[in-house]
Amino acid sequence: NAGVTQTPKFQVLKTGQSMTLQCAQDMNHNSMYWYRQDPGMGLRLIYYSASEGTTDKGEVPNGYNVSRLNKREFSLRLESAAPSQTSVYFCASSEMAYSTDNEQFFGPGTRLTVL
Amino acid sequence: GDSVTQMEGPVTLSEEAFLTINCTYTATGYPSLFWYVQYPGEGLQLLLKATKADDKGSNKGFEATYRKETTSFHLEKGSVQVSDSAVYFCALSLRRTGNQFYFGTGTSLTVIP
Repeated sequence: NAGVTQTPKFQVLKTGQSMTLQCAQDMNHNSMYWYRQDPGMGLRLIYYSASEGTTDKGEVPNGYNVSRLNKREFSLRLESAAPSQTSVYFCASSEMAYSTDNEQFFGPGTRLTVL
Repeated sequence: GDSVTQMEGPVTLSEEAFLTINCTYTATGYPSLFWYVQYPGEGLQLLLKATKADDKGSNKGFEATYRKETTSFHLEKGSVQVSDSAVYFCALSLRRTGNQFYFGTGTSLTVIP
C-alpha cells in the first residue's frame, strides 16, 4: 500500500496563477483533509471531506476550493495564487470522521512557493 | 476555542538524556489526544494516542498520559537517541468538528551524540 500520495512535491507559481494539488489514498478511508503548515503555526485545516460527496470548510478556507472526486481522491485548487499561500500543504485521510479514535494518515506534502 | 499549546523549541539534548515536551489543551467536550512526529522532508506519522482521561499512550519508548484535571498530555522518553531528532506535534481531535485535528506549533528536537 502506498498510503497517502500527493503530487506535485514542489511547485513555484507566480501571483495570480492557478493550480491544483492532487491527493489520493489507497486505504479505503472515508474522510480526507487538507492542511497547510507554516513556520511557528503548526498545521491548520483548510478543508475536509467527511465522506464521498461532502466537503466542509476548516480553519483557513479563503482562497481555496476542493473537490472530492471519488472515495480515493481529494484535490485542492488555488484559483489565483497569492504570496500568502506560500506554504507546505499536507493531505491526510482517516477511516471515518466523527470518530475521535481515528488517527489521520498524512501524505509527504507539497512545498508551494508563490512569487 | 479549541486549541493546543506546546512548549517552544528548539530542544537540544545529549544522547541518553531524559526528554519531556509539554502539551496542554483547551477543548469543550471530550477530545482524543495525539502525538505526531515529523522527520525532515517527510509527512507526519502517528507516534502515540490516548482517547480518554487517564489513558497512557506509548510507542518506541515514548509515553504520554491523558490528564483531564490538568488538561495536559506531556510527551516523555527516558533515554533519547540521535534517531529521535525530529519535530513533535501535539494534537487533539473532536468528534463534533468532524474529527478535525487541532495541532500545536511543534517542538523541534535535536539529539547530539
